[in-house]
Amino acid sequence: AQSVTQLDSQVPVFEEAPVELRCNYSSSVSVYLFWYVQYPNQGLQLLLKYLSGSTLVKGINGFEAEFNKSQTSFHLRKPSVHISDTAEYFCAITGGKLIFGQGTELSVKP
Amino acid sequence: DAGITQSPRYKITETGRQVTLMCHQTWSHSYMFWYRQDLGHGLRLIYYSAAADITDKGEVPDGYVVSRSKTENFPLTLESATRSQTSVYFCASSEGTTGELFFGEGSRLTVL
Repeated sequence: AQSVTQLDSQVPVFEEAPVELRCNYSSSVSVYLFWYVQYPNQGLQLLLKYLSGSTLVKGINGFEAEFNKSQTSFHLRKPSVHISDTAEYFCAITGGKLIFGQGTELSVKP
Repeated sequence: DAGITQSPRYKITETGRQVTLMCHQTWSHSYMFWYRQDLGHGLRLIYYSAAADITDKGEVPDGYVVSRSKTENFPLTLESATRSQTSVYFCASSEGTTGELFFGEGSRLTVL
């Protein structure tokens, strides 16, 4: 069985501060890893993905994530956030079917 | 325009009624998915389809029916709606199984 755990349901942060959204996963098979972002009243869109190769993955809007196989983690980071980054972020894995975490609400305050 | 569209965007119905949510994609993607989004649960997979006439259950299929007679359409039917099916439903499509999904804007369903 596969599962995804996002360790923080809400992350408040001030504008221009760094942020890390944490994601741990469990799987008995090799998986692909993803971060999706959902802006208010919209569907999800892909932020970045790890399929293979370099464990540091860069995505859109200045976000990056690092795959750590030994710790089964795929944390999302951004060195300096903007108000426009306020959204819900979902970590997901697939070894066939895409399984999502419960989401982390990022709230960027001025 | 190319994309994935869902209809209706908003629906209010009563317990026991049948409801169908429509999903249409213009990319000719093989895979299509239905998720429901509920507070505290993230997105949960209801059903998915790997190709026309091929469907399979996800995490929470009970109370739902799907069909895929054409590649571009993947309707989701609630045969007898219950209050617990009040949710936001997202349709998505992808070319393969690497997980890059393209989502519709969602259908917000309220069952009274």
